[in-house]
Amino acid sequence: GNSVTQMEGPVTLSEEAFLTINCTYTATGYPSLFWYVQYPGEGLQLLLKATKADDKGSNKGFEATYRKETTSFHLEKGSVQVSDSAVYFCALSIQGAQKLVFGQGTRLTINP
Amino acid sequence: NAGVTQTPKFRILKIGQSMTLQCTQDMNHNYMYWYRQDPGMGLKLIYYSVGAGITDKGEVPNGYNVSRSTTEDFPLRLELAAPSQTSVYFCAIPRGDAIPGELFFGEGSRLTVL
Repeated sequence: GNSVTQMEGPVTLSEEAFLTINCTYTATGYPSLFWYVQYPGEGLQLLLKATKADDKGSNKGFEATYRKETTSFHLEKGSVQVSDSAVYFCALSIQGAQKLVFGQGTRLTINP
Repeated sequence: NAGVTQTPKFRILKIGQSMTLQCTQDMNHNYMYWYRQDPGMGLKLIYYSVGAGITDKGEVPNGYNVSRSTTEDFPLRLELAAPSQTSVYFCAIPRGDAIPGELFFGEGSRLTVL
């Protein structure tokens, strides 16, 4: 089946620290991969995406590279800010399918 | 989150009560989705629709019903509320002509069943 596993949270960092949130997946076919972010009290927003192996998605200083050999899509940011505090979800969709499979989410807190 | 409107934002139900969560979109999309979000569990797909008159089950459909009589509306009904249905519910639609999986979410409806 199709599934996504994220590193467990919560994750707490100081401002300007380097961030990595691990995400690995299991999928039949060729998935597209996504990171969604949920700020407090809001719905989910698409943060970045990658549609094929070796693609790098990037947005707002965040990056993630689609690694087919390790079935991973780790989220990274070089210098986090307090405003990055949120819950981050890794997700996949199978080619041609309009449905998303989500990881369990990782809560990130950035302290000033 | 312009484009997808969910009501109510908050609701408390007693066990056995019924209610309908409303979702309306103004983007004229054929696809609409209902997800539930439980703490530490990510989002699970309840039901989805590929167009007016067409609905299908997701991963966790038990205890819920949906209908899609118009393109704009996709209500989710709980017939006999149970504590296990305490959750945050999100309605979603695809983002324009984006690739499958790029979804645009409503602000959510937080439901508590006591």
